[in-house]
Amino acid sequence: GQQVMQIPQYQHVQEGEDFTTYCNSSTTLSNIQWYKQRPGGHPVFLIQLVKSGEVKKQKRLTFQFGEAKKNSSLHITATQTTDVGTYFCAPRGGGGNKLTFGTGTQLKVEL
Amino acid sequence: NAGVTQTPKFQVLKTGQSMTLQCAQDMNHEYMSWYRQDPGMGLRLIHYSVGAGITDQGEVPNGYNVSRSTTEDFPLRLLSAAPSQTSVYFCASSYSSLAGSPDTQYFGPGTRLTVL
Repeated sequence: GQQVMQIPQYQHVQEGEDFTTYCNSSTTLSNIQWYKQRPGGHPVFLIQLVKSGEVKKQKRLTFQFGEAKKNSSLHITATQTTDVGTYFCAPRGGGGNKLTFGTGTQLKVEL
Repeated sequence: NAGVTQTPKFQVLKTGQSMTLQCAQDMNHEYMSWYRQDPGMGLRLIHYSVGAGITDQGEVPNGYNVSRSTTEDFPLRLLSAAPSQTSVYFCASSYSSLAGSPDTQYFGPGTRLTVL
């Protein structure tokens, strides 16, 4: 079955530093979604990647889908305190209707 | 639109008690699901439904029952609560493709459950 690893589990950065989280799958994915959860809140959808090698940007956030569609990354440029939270990937395999999530990367930003 | 609503927000149970966590959405979404969130474990899928009358198991279904009698509601029942079920529970809904695969998930605010 599909196995997904999300790394790192935690990341502390100084405000202004960059941040990257990775989502790696043992199998080829049909698409992948990314979500953000603020402390004490609920997950909120950020983006969905579908195509091999796809790159999408949302202001300071850059999302990539690997050429082999087995991995994805989320990169934040010049982090701000508003970026604090946990970032989850939600990879979709080739079939089935289950949407499962990675274990998440908790980001803390210090002034 | 209220989006996805969950009740209660907080609940304390004793071991062996039963209860139902309520979830409702007003977006006419076909797909609904329940997740539990524990520290370091991410979001784990309990049960999901691709439409009224259809439910299926997720990754961690044991100890939980669901039903989907209407498009709007997807209650989660704990039959005999155990301390291992202490967690935060999130309900989510989305549109789905013709094949039933889920689109963007909209999450409710969560229910924080403690089982003593």
